[in-house]
Amino acid sequence: EVQLLESGGGLVQPGGSLRLSCAASGFTFSIYAMYWVRQAPGKGLEWVSGISGSGGNTYYADSVKGRFTISRDNSNNTMYLHMNSLRAEDTAVYYCAKDLIFDFWGQGTLVTVSS
Amino acid sequence: QSALTQPPSASGSPGQSVTISCTGTSSDVGGYNYVSWYQQHPGKAPKLMIYEVSKRPSGVPDRFSGSKSGNTASLTVSGLLAEDEADYYCSSFAGNNFSFGGGTKLTVL
Repeated sequence: EVQLLESGGGLVQPGGSLRLSCAASGFTFSIYAMYWVRQAPGKGLEWVSGISGSGGNTYYADSVKGRFTISRDNSNNTMYLHMNSLRAEDTAVYYCAKDLIFDFWGQGTLVTVSS
Repeated sequence: QSALTQPPSASGSPGQSVTISCTGTSSDVGGYNYVSWYQQHPGKAPKLMIYEVSKRPSGVPDRFSGSKSGNTASLTVSGLLAEDEADYYCSSFAGNNFSFGGGTKLTVL
């Protein structure tokens, strides 16, 4: 059974940093691209970032480029999102999702950027 | 990355059919056959319902179907059930990034 479990969310001040994790199980993690998608309170879904199976290729939405860094550790079946220079508009539930078609999603972790 | 355009709401009575549209451009919906649809119930994570325009994952009822014409994709839900009431989002691959629609709230009357 595929499982994705996000962690690391919380309350952070504007300008602060946070690292999210996505622990995967139930599939061969290293052969699948993985993604981060966020949803601001009461709003729709927004694609944030993606990383290839090997970790050699990374992709970012314009809204987070230069501030967020995606990475993965295939030996521990975990993906990360390092978030710097956080803004109020980054407040959202952050989901990790598997593969190009986002066929499985985690339950999400809430990031709140506020003073 | 521009958002795809969906109607904010749609509705139908039990047993009826409803179609939700998703309009993009030749750089996303029209340029790739990687259009997906997701169902989201309140407080829950999205669930994949349709991928690659018209394919259904295992376990998704065949009441859900997808299609595409030009820059517009569509999701049709036939034989509406109360449990189909949810938010529905389309997404499209757009070459090294993805676009999502703003979401459509489907109400079963």
